Amino acid sequence: GNSVTQMEGPVTLSEEAFLTINCTYTATGYPSLFWYVQYPGEGLQLLLKATKADDKGSNKGFEATYRKETTSFHLEKGSVQVSDSAVYFCALLYYGGSQGNLIFGKGTKLSVKP
Amino acid sequence: SAVISQKPSRDICQRGTSLTIQCQVDSQVTMMFWYRQQPGQSLTLIATANQGSEATYESGFVIDKFPISRPNLTFSTLTVSNMSPEDSSIYLCSGWGQETQYFGPGTRLLVL
Repeated sequence: GNSVTQMEGPVTLSEEAFLTINCTYTATGYPSLFWYVQYPGEGLQLLLKATKADDKGSNKGFEATYRKETTSFHLEKGSVQVSDSAVYFCALLYYGGSQGNLIFGKGTKLSVKP
Repeated sequence: SAVISQKPSRDICQRGTSLTIQCQVDSQVTMMFWYRQQPGQSLTLIATANQGSEATYESGFVIDKFPISRPNLTFSTLTVSNMSPEDSSIYLCSGWGQETQYFGPGTRLLVL
């Protein structure tokens, strides 16, 4: 079946540290991949996406590359800020029948200390 | 990107009562969904809201507990019926458009 596995948190970093949040997936066919971010007390916001192998999604200094050979979509940022503290969700979109279905990982909580 | 709004943003309710959550999307959205996010958990799809017909529910969710309406393309409601403390969650409206799924800000529900 289709599934998403994220590294478990919480992840605690100092400001300006390098961030990697691992995400791997299992899917039939060629899904689209997404990272969503949920800031404290807010809903989900789309952070970035990639729709095919070797695509790189990027936004706000975050980036992730769709790696078909390793079935991965790891999220990276070179220098995190306190304002990046949030929960990050990796998600996979696959088509079952006539509609798309979004499957989420369990989320990784990131805390950035000044 | 699509714009999705929800109301209320939060509510505190007594057990046994019902709450209706409203969701408004802009015209770029074609499909609408309702999700639940229990405390500290990931998102679980409740149902797909179908325009002018009954919603399509996921396993574990039933129409009597979570009746959904979608009278037109851009508006949907989710009712949480006969609430219990276990229904305390964030309920998120979501819309599909431009090859991406967007989410509303969520409704934070606490049932006492």
